[in-house]
Amino acid sequence: GAVVSQHPSRVICKSGTSVKIECRSLDFQATTMFWYRQFPKQSLMLMATSNEGSKATYEQGVEKDKFLINHASLTLSTLTVTSAHPEDSSFYICSARPPLLGQGGSGYTFGSGTRLTVV
Amino acid sequence: DAKTTQPPSMDCAEGRAANLPCNHSTISGNEYVYWYRQIHSQGPQYIIHGLKNNETNEMASLIITEDRKSSTLILPHATLRDTAVYYCIVRVADAYVSRAAGNKLTFGGGTRVLVKP
Repeated sequence: GAVVSQHPSRVICKSGTSVKIECRSLDFQATTMFWYRQFPKQSLMLMATSNEGSKATYEQGVEKDKFLINHASLTLSTLTVTSAHPEDSSFYICSARPPLLGQGGSGYTFGSGTRLTVV
Repeated sequence: DAKTTQPPSMDCAEGRAANLPCNHSTISGNEYVYWYRQIHSQGPQYIIHGLKNNETNEMASLIITEDRKSSTLILPHATLRDTAVYYCIVRVADAYVSRAAGNKLTFGGGTRVLVKP
């Protein structure tokens, strides 16, 4: 089945540094990928929609200069958390949609997530 | 997209069927019902989706009421590994969404399911 690989699974960084998270669709091409953030015991919150070859679309309240998204190829999207601070510590998850199957489309496939801890 | 309402938590016994309800009273005709689950510290996993007919796959069954205002996800024989947060999501069919919009998935609170021995 469709697989989305996310790397790294866990990262600890110092406050003020930047961290890049990669999201790859392994066996399909994804023109659109999505980035979510999840705080402990909360649901997933969509941060942005990443479109191959164009600018990402950010959800309201998400700082585009802080969370840089690049979707340079049909199989890779990256999220860079710039000048990270402790409040950016969270679980970041990407997802992509395999080719459509019928009117409803197929289910989205999610990466395994990245646990970011900023110290 | 229409909002969904799910109970925050429920327990079920190992080996028994688990019936997870979801209300989506404002669903429109071009919206599908999707179910995902998230096991602790992992990314969500697709389970099943449907429009108006009942659906079944190797993981679960989805029962949608005739008026489409509610649905039930059935795990036929719950195991300890089914302990997870289950999310019911309503989403517009892809044909009605532009590529730029991307037809995103919006997660609600979900139901935290604990399967007990």
